[in-house]
Amino acid sequence: TQLLEQSPQFLSIQEGENLTVYCNSSSVFSSLQWYRQEPGEGPVLLVTVVTGGEVKKLKRLTFQFGDARKDSSLHITAAQPGDTGLYLCAGGSSGYSTLTFGKGTMLLVSP
Amino acid sequence: DAGVTQSPTHLIKTRGQHVTLRCSPISGHKSVSWYQQVLGQGPQFIFQYYEKEERGRGNFPDRFSARQFPNYSSELNVNALLLGDSALYLCASSLAHPSREKLFFGSGTQLSVL
Repeated sequence: TQLLEQSPQFLSIQEGENLTVYCNSSSVFSSLQWYRQEPGEGPVLLVTVVTGGEVKKLKRLTFQFGDARKDSSLHITAAQPGDTGLYLCAGGSSGYSTLTFGKGTMLLVSP
Repeated sequence: DAGVTQSPTHLIKTRGQHVTLRCSPISGHKSVSWYQQVLGQGPQFIFQYYEKEERGRGNFPDRFSARQFPNYSSELNVNALLLGDSALYLCASSLAHPSREKLFFGSGTQLSVL
């Protein structure tokens, strides 16, 4: 069974602060996806990383895939209240028909 | 273009009843996946269908079943409902293989079992 552990589970910060959330596993994944989910909505894909060591930037968000493709991080610079939501990482493996999701990090950014 | 649509949006059932949830994928998408998300947890995989065939099944009891129709829409059926089945049920569609393709999620069906 492939498991993804996310940390921290909950993060409450002030607007303008920086933060990093982590996604770790003992398994190797062929791809790693990050989603953001708002209350009452389904998850929305932010980014997909597929190469070990890969770094992708999406405005103030920076995503990194570990060299061994077992872990990933999401760094947000100068967080804004609009960044509030549940951040989920999900791993994909060739040969599997699905994604394995972590439990998520709930981020609350206060004005 | 319409996104993934799910119906109903909310549902209240009592223990022992059965429920049918429906999903229409994005036009052109041939794969549909179903996930269960309990409050405070990440989505947990239930089923995946591609080209009307079951391609994957998660660790859920036989009370859970699904099917995909020729138009690629899908239904998730749950029999003999238990209190623990209360959750947000998410449908996601993709062009093909979910682990390699971008998944598009619907807003989900919130099921409450009393």
